Amino acid sequence: EDKVVQSPLSLVVHEGDTVTLNCSYEVTNFRSLLWYKQEKKAPTFLFMLTSSGIEKKSGRLSSILDKKELFSILNITATQTGDSAVYLCAVHGAAGNKLTFGGGTRVLVKP
Amino acid sequence: GAVVSQHPSWVICKSGTSVKIECRSLDFQATTMFWYRQFPKQSLMLMATSNEGSKATYEQGVEKDKFLINHASLTLSTLTVTSAHPEDSSFYICSAWGSGTEVYGYTFGSGTRLTVV
Repeated sequence: EDKVVQSPLSLVVHEGDTVTLNCSYEVTNFRSLLWYKQEKKAPTFLFMLTSSGIEKKSGRLSSILDKKELFSILNITATQTGDSAVYLCAVHGAAGNKLTFGGGTRVLVKP
Repeated sequence: GAVVSQHPSWVICKSGTSVKIECRSLDFQATTMFWYRQFPKQSLMLMATSNEGSKATYEQGVEKDKFLINHASLTLSTLTVTSAHPEDSSFYICSAWGSGTEVYGYTFGSGTRLTVV
C-alpha cells in the first residue's frame, strides 16, 4: 500500500522566516510527487516533480525531489501571512492514476 | 485551462434524505474522476475512482450503496450520498484526470461542505 508521511504536523513562524516542509513516501511504481496548498477550500496545485535533483521554483516557493531517498522538500522563503495554509504532499503511484495524500503540514505565519 | 466546477458549494440536509454533488470538467475531457472526503484538520481520503462509462472503484471501508457515483460522460461525474446521517457531514472534493491535465497535476473542484442535521 502506498504511503506518504509529512513533517512537521504544524509550525508557527513569523513573517520573513523561511520554512522547510518534508514529505517522505513509499510507493509502487512511482510516477510523480505533487505539492498542494489548501486554505479554506479545495487544494490548489503548486508543483509536480518527476525527476530527482531538479528544483522547481515559483516565486518564493521551491521544491525538490530525491528519488533515491524517497523524499521531497518544499521551501517557502520570506514568508508572508498569506502563506498560512495546510500544505499537502501527494504521490502518484502505480494503479489507476490515483493520488495518495500525506497528512499535511499546517503552517501559520504570524505578522 | 483544466477547470473543474463542483456544485453545490455547501448543502444542509435532513437526516435520511439524499444529496447529489456534481463535478464538471469545463475545458477538458475527464476520463477519470476521483472523489475525496476530508474531515476537519485531516487530510484528503480517497473514497472512490470512477472512469467514464464504467463502475466506480471504491476504497476499502467506503460503502458503495451509500455513496453512489456516476460518471456517465467525459465531463460530468456525480456523487450521491444516500440516506445521509450526521456522521456523513464532511467536506467532499472531486478531482479530475484527463487529457491536458497532466501539466496541472490533477485539477480539483472547489469542494462541497455537507452538513446533515
